[in-house]
Amino acid sequence: QQQVKQSPQSLIVQKGGISIINCAYENTAFDYFPWYQQFPGKGPALLIAIRPDVSEKKEGRFTISFNKSAKQFSLHIMDSQPGDSATYFCAASSGGQGAQKLVFGQGTRLTINP
Amino acid sequence: DAGITQSPRHKVTETGTPVTLRCHQTENHRYMYWYRQDPGHGLRLIHYSYGVKDTDKGEVSDGYSVSRSKTEDFLLTLESATSSQTSVYFCAITTPRGAGANVLTFGAGSRLTVL
Repeated sequence: QQQVKQSPQSLIVQKGGISIINCAYENTAFDYFPWYQQFPGKGPALLIAIRPDVSEKKEGRFTISFNKSAKQFSLHIMDSQPGDSATYFCAASSGGQGAQKLVFGQGTRLTINP
Repeated sequence: DAGITQSPRHKVTETGTPVTLRCHQTENHRYMYWYRQDPGHGLRLIHYSYGVKDTDKGEVSDGYSVSRSKTEDFLLTLESATSSQTSVYFCAITTPRGAGANVLTFGAGSRLTVL
């Protein structure tokens, strides 16, 4: 059972456009929702994260939108650049300061065309 | 990669042979994790550790065992490798980010092929 469902699997966006990746979760105990970015041959790296007490978080060109009632959250990349081409994973966890047992979505391969 | 070293980085082995992957951290963090990454599945937690000799199962622990005899080392063992264990394995640690937030930080990965 996939607790975090991510879409689309792949996405092609023109340079300067907006990239949008969506995730939905099932477990209402989740209280931490990070997005990870992964380049080929590298490990995933934290991009941005949100907790359910806010509906939006912005860091530079990256924004997370969070809808608690719908149990959905999304990543928006504004002014997408070729350097943003990577695989993106959403994730979720619960448990406060203990072990961070992140549950990941399936991943989205993003390609930004120059 | 935040003081995380995985070894080996690449390994090809045959079905039925034992395999051990090593994760070494230099920053004395309490929590360590092993994930596997497969197309269409994202990353899935295999086992994690919350201290020396303290480990617990994750989502996909069958066929895997772990050990942590020192704070800095977390070993993942496949007792008898199968082709379904062909994957990229990532070690991770929980690192502080400030303001009480903790971050899961990943190593560079170990690509395992079981023939």
